[in-house]
Amino acid sequence: KAGVTQTPRYLIKTRGQQVTLSCSPISGHRSVSWYQQTPGQGLQFLFEYFSETQRNKGNFPGRFSGRQFSNSRSEMNVSTLELGDSALYLCASSLDSGGGGIYEQYFGPGTRLTVT
Amino acid sequence: AQKVTQAQTEISVVEKEDVTLDCVYETRDTTYYLFWYKQPPSGELVFLIRRNSFDEQNEISGRYSWNFQKSTSSFNFTITASQVVDSAVYFCALSEAIAVRETSGSRLTFGEGTQLTVNP
Repeated sequence: KAGVTQTPRYLIKTRGQQVTLSCSPISGHRSVSWYQQTPGQGLQFLFEYFSETQRNKGNFPGRFSGRQFSNSRSEMNVSTLELGDSALYLCASSLDSGGGGIYEQYFGPGTRLTVT
Repeated sequence: AQKVTQAQTEISVVEKEDVTLDCVYETRDTTYYLFWYKQPPSGELVFLIRRNSFDEQNEISGRYSWNFQKSTSSFNFTITASQVVDSAVYFCALSEAIAVRETSGSRLTFGEGTQLTVNP
């Protein structure tokens, strides 16, 4: 079974631009989560989607948004990029059926975003 | 609020040595889950283990073993007979029960990570 895939793998943007990152979960996984990893803040939770609905949201400004499609694929968008948004953005999927419980998350390789 | 602390920023060992990575957590809930992940230089986080708060049995998987002690809020990870391929950053993570009640179970709080270097 294929793992979590993320595109693009690397991205360079200029301050003020916007960016969209894509994530395809493992087949059959309906929950998709996004995390930001930086040297200073470590791994931080952005948001989680299940059945096209945002279920959980971390403490990030409104410039960070996401969505999930009917096939469970997810995108996240960052508008008005700032230098501090430079990070590795990781997507994870889990076999959460929506009935409660905590499931392990399987991560993709990440998208390395550099803002200049 | 939940918190995970990995006090060891970097550990360097020689191949075949045993090494223990420490993880201490804070949570107000009685039901929670703990995880360990490995992040090799490629960047992808690799799932290693999940443990719920009601299961304090130690677990062994090959050269890996985990010691969960609720009394000290610790979930330590030991690699026996380390190998060069074990070199990576290891993260401990926590997911609280509030996620269980709301059936939204995918929010992880990570520790700072421990960089393990195994030298030949």
